[in-house]
Amino acid sequence: KNQVEQSPQSLIILEGKNCTLQCNYTVSPFSNLRWYKQDTGRGPVSLTIMTFSENTKSNGRYTATLDADTKQSSLHITASQLSDSASYICVPVYGGATNKLIFGTGTLLAVQP
Amino acid sequence: NAGVTQTPKFRVLKTGQSMTLLCAQDMNHEYMYWYRQDPGMGLRLIHYSVGEGTTAKGEVPDGYNVSRLKKQNFLLGLESAAPSQTSVYFCASSYSRDYTNGYTFGSGTRLTVV
Repeated sequence: KNQVEQSPQSLIILEGKNCTLQCNYTVSPFSNLRWYKQDTGRGPVSLTIMTFSENTKSNGRYTATLDADTKQSSLHITASQLSDSASYICVPVYGGATNKLIFGTGTLLAVQP
Repeated sequence: NAGVTQTPKFRVLKTGQSMTLLCAQDMNHEYMYWYRQDPGMGLRLIHYSVGEGTTAKGEVPDGYNVSRLKKQNFLLGLESAAPSQTSVYFCASSYSRDYTNGYTFGSGTRLTVV
């Protein structure tokens, strides 16, 4: 069964600090993995997209890593800002004929001043 | 460039009432999707469309119907609303299903069925 587990469920950090969010998935066949940021009351916004052959991808202060062998991904946020407060959703993509996105439940990050 | 626009943003329905949610995109995307988001669950695909005039069922299609009469619009209909359909609905679009194309999401419609 295709599943996604994200940890922690929620996290509070101080502004300026770094943090790392984790994602474990069981999706087969695997196509690619995406990280989305979802602000409260808004739709998800894409941060990164990585295929199985990519180990790391950055988007500004966001850096995603992928280990397709262990089926793990992480999202590292550097020098956090108040605007980083949001839910971060890991989305592995099923590589079958339907190319289906499997959405995690997200990690809720709160950045405090 | 508006991206993906959803209307309405909020709606309260009584059980048994019907309504239509409208999604419009101005990016000339071929693919469009309707998702629902419930507390403690990831987004789940309701229906999707791979082009004008086509629709297909997703993961949780029961109780919903869709239409894609124009390339830029994707309508989601609830014929007889039930409390279990209380949720936040998101529309998304993409140029193709290729991995290089991310999805663009709308801001959501918060629907409450009482």
